[in-house]
Amino acid sequence: KAGVTQTPRYLIKTRGQQVTLSCSPISGHRSVSWYQQTPGQGLQFLFEYFSETQRNKGNFPGRFSGRQFSNSRSEMNVSTLELGDSALYLCASSTSTIRGNEQFFGPGTRLTVL
Amino acid sequence: AQSVTQLGSHVSVSEGALVLLRCNYSSSVPPYLFWYVQYPNQGLQLLLKYTSAATLVKGINGFEAEFKKSETSFHLTKPSAHMSDAAEYFCAVSGSSGYSTLTFGKGTMLLVSP
Repeated sequence: KAGVTQTPRYLIKTRGQQVTLSCSPISGHRSVSWYQQTPGQGLQFLFEYFSETQRNKGNFPGRFSGRQFSNSRSEMNVSTLELGDSALYLCASSTSTIRGNEQFFGPGTRLTVL
Repeated sequence: AQSVTQLGSHVSVSEGALVLLRCNYSSSVPPYLFWYVQYPNQGLQLLLKYTSAATLVKGINGFEAEFKKSETSFHLTKPSAHMSDAAEYFCAVSGSSGYSTLTFGKGTMLLVSP
């Protein structure tokens, strides 16, 4: 089975712009979660989607949004980019949202905001 | 609420020596615990997980971890370090939100010297 794929792998944007990141889960997985990884804050949960519905949300401003499509692919969008949004954004897929369920991570998208 | 504390941002060992990476957790419900490894410019790979079936959990690449409820710990060990084990290791907990959302520790960088 192919793993979780994320596109693009690298992205450079300037402050004030918006960006869209894409994630394709493992075939058959219906849950997709997004995490932000920075040197200062570590790994932080953004949101989780299951069957096109947001099931759980982390403590991030409304500039961060996401969605999931009927084929389980997910996108996250960050509007009005700030320098502090520079991070590795990781997507993880799982068969369900049940607690304790294993999450499989993609390679991440490295976002640099100038 | 749930949280994870990893003691030591960096751990250095010699090749062939015992690896011990410490993790303490806090959870308001019986926890599910995970150890992930991250190699440079890659996503997270699951090493092992605890789901209450057995307190000693064996994972990939010779790693294992023991769940100790009385100490709220889930330390990761490997009897003999290999150069290829050099990476960053993350302990994570899920469960209190009712979803599979992971709360991560800050990570421990394992350095292996010849």
